[in-house]
Amino acid sequence: SQTIHQWPATLVQPVGSPLSLECTVEGTSNPNLYWYRQAAGRGLQLLFYSVGIGQISSEVPQNLSASRPQDRQFILSSKKLLLSDSGFYLCAWTVRGAGGYGYTFGSGTRLTVV
Amino acid sequence: KNEVEQSPQNLTAQEGEFITINCSYSVGISALHWLQQHPGGGIVSLFMLSSGKKKHGRLIATINIQEKHSSLHITASHPRDSAVYICAVSGPRYQLIWGAGTKLIIKP
Repeated sequence: SQTIHQWPATLVQPVGSPLSLECTVEGTSNPNLYWYRQAAGRGLQLLFYSVGIGQISSEVPQNLSASRPQDRQFILSSKKLLLSDSGFYLCAWTVRGAGGYGYTFGSGTRLTVV
Repeated sequence: KNEVEQSPQNLTAQEGEFITINCSYSVGISALHWLQQHPGGGIVSLFMLSSGKKKHGRLIATINIQEKHSSLHITASHPRDSAVYICAVSGPRYQLIWGAGTKLIIKP
């Protein structure tokens, strides 16, 4: 079956500390991978997407970066967190099926920067 | 103006009521998605549709491509339906462009 694992579920980090969130996919190959963020009281916003190993596109300028070292692994990082990085981070992937691209979502990571 | 607009932002109803959540979009899309987000944050895909109507249990989703409008209906609503319902559309890179969500509370 096709699943997605995202961890950790919650994280409290001090300002200026580094960040690493990881997402792995099972049950498919060469998926499109996405990182989204939801700030408090707002809708989800695309941060990064990847169509293949080492291929990363950024949608929003910020102090975050993403990497895809393996086909089914997507990592979100920061060297120094800001207070404004607090929010809910969601990993997702798409697979082409009948009617278009269906989505599968990770369980999300709630990050609080203090 | 946001590319995906949802209404209402908040909705409180009594158990058993018929619920309608609306979504309008202003961009070209390949598909429209309705998703459900529970208090813990987890997101579940309810529907993906590009035309017409889909039904799953008590949930019905419709889309009018010409009017760029979609609705999500819940029949015989139940407290367990309480959640945030999100409309999103698939963009040119198959990324999702998200609405702000509708917070639904069903009271027993």
